[in-house]
Amino acid sequence: AQSVTQPDIHITVSEGASLELRCNYSYGATPYLFWYVQSPGQGLQLLLKYFSGDTLVQGIKGFEAEFKRSQSSFNLRKPSVHWSDAAEYFCAVVGGLTGGGNKLTFGTGTQLKVEL
Amino acid sequence: EPEVTQTPSHQVTQMGQEVILRCVPISNHLYFYWYRQILGQKVEFLVSFYNNEISEKSEIFDDQFSVERPDGSNFTLKIRSTKLEDSAMYFCASSEGVGGNGYTFGSGTRLTVV
Repeated sequence: AQSVTQPDIHITVSEGASLELRCNYSYGATPYLFWYVQSPGQGLQLLLKYFSGDTLVQGIKGFEAEFKRSQSSFNLRKPSVHWSDAAEYFCAVVGGLTGGGNKLTFGTGTQLKVEL
Repeated sequence: EPEVTQTPSHQVTQMGQEVILRCVPISNHLYFYWYRQILGQKVEFLVSFYNNEISEKSEIFDDQFSVERPDGSNFTLKIRSTKLEDSAMYFCASSEGVGGNGYTFGSGTRLTVV
């Protein structure tokens, strides 16, 4: 069964500093990977996704993520964090074309706090 | 950009009552889903629906839950007899095809059972 691990529950960074949120997945075949952001009381906004091809994917709001098959990771990065980036970030995986169904399996989330 | 629309945005109901949460998926999508997020926890899969039948469901999706696509545009989640622990944010989603292509979430319905 597919699973997602986000090892950092809380992260605090200073505004303008770089950011990396970790995500590790477990899936037998090539997964489809997603990062979502959720502001308090709000829905899920898709930041970026990886299906195939270039392992470095660009998303909205200046975020990027790199798929590393050898490490089973899909870490989210941003070179310079803005105060408005404070939110909860979820990594998610779906089984891809080879199976695993269509359900998204989410990690437990990383709460990002930005200090001014 | 096409959206998944959920109504209502908030619902308060008494324990034991039936509730129906409504969703309008993106029109050309073929796969429909419900997810749940209890306050402060991660998003959990409830059920997926394709070709007018349930294609997969989680252990959370017990006999108290049902889904329906009553017409060509709506997708509903019914909870027959609500419990306090059903209080959560419920997200509807739809996708074009297998593997999560075009996966789009609605903004959610916050259900509070009192």
